Amino acid sequence: GESVGLHLPTLSVQEGDNSIINCAYSNSASDYFIWYKQESGKGPQFIIDIRSNMDKRQGQRVTVLLNKTVKHLSLQIAATQPGDSAVYFCAENGSGGSNYKLTFGKGTLLTVNP
Amino acid sequence: DTGVSQDPRHKITKRGQNVTFRCDPISEHNRLYWYRQTLGQGPEFLTYFQNEAQLEKSRLLSDRFSAERPKGSFSTLEIQRTEQGDSAMYLCASSPSTAQETQYFGPGTRLLVL
Repeated sequence: GESVGLHLPTLSVQEGDNSIINCAYSNSASDYFIWYKQESGKGPQFIIDIRSNMDKRQGQRVTVLLNKTVKHLSLQIAATQPGDSAVYFCAENGSGGSNYKLTFGKGTLLTVNP
Repeated sequence: DTGVSQDPRHKITKRGQNVTFRCDPISEHNRLYWYRQTLGQGPEFLTYFQNEAQLEKSRLLSDRFSAERPKGSFSTLEIQRTEQGDSAMYLCASSPSTAQETQYFGPGTRLLVL
């Protein structure tokens, strides 16, 4: 069945270090993936997305890598800042024709230590 | 602010009461989605609209829940005879009608049922 999950529930890094947040998905038909950042008491904020015909996509300080062979997704944040502290979710959209519904994992709590 | 807005941001009610939440999507977006998020979990899909038509409802949406989007613009989500298990964050998102486009979330309505 469809499922999107995360390897680590928490990640603590020092300010200035790079952060890597991982996500595994089980549905090989998944064809669109999104990373969201959610701060306490707020709605999820779009960070970056990637389609299944790509392996890598870069944004400002963020990079998403997609490995379809092992069904793994990662979010890399360069030079992590205290403002990056939040819960990060990966979400999958489009598997099995469900192009309207996002399936989220549990989330990874990123804490940036000054 | 041209993002998704939700009202109210917080709602405390007693068990058995009815509550109604409102969502105003990004103006040019035809698709509108409702999700529910409980503490420590990712958002879970509830329902979605293409213009004024409600095209999909999750099994999570019991018969006490009803959603409308009468003019294809704002949407309301009503919960009748609230139960303590309904306590959660209710999130609204919108996207253009193009398949697999990113969903942009509002700040959510946090419901507490006493």
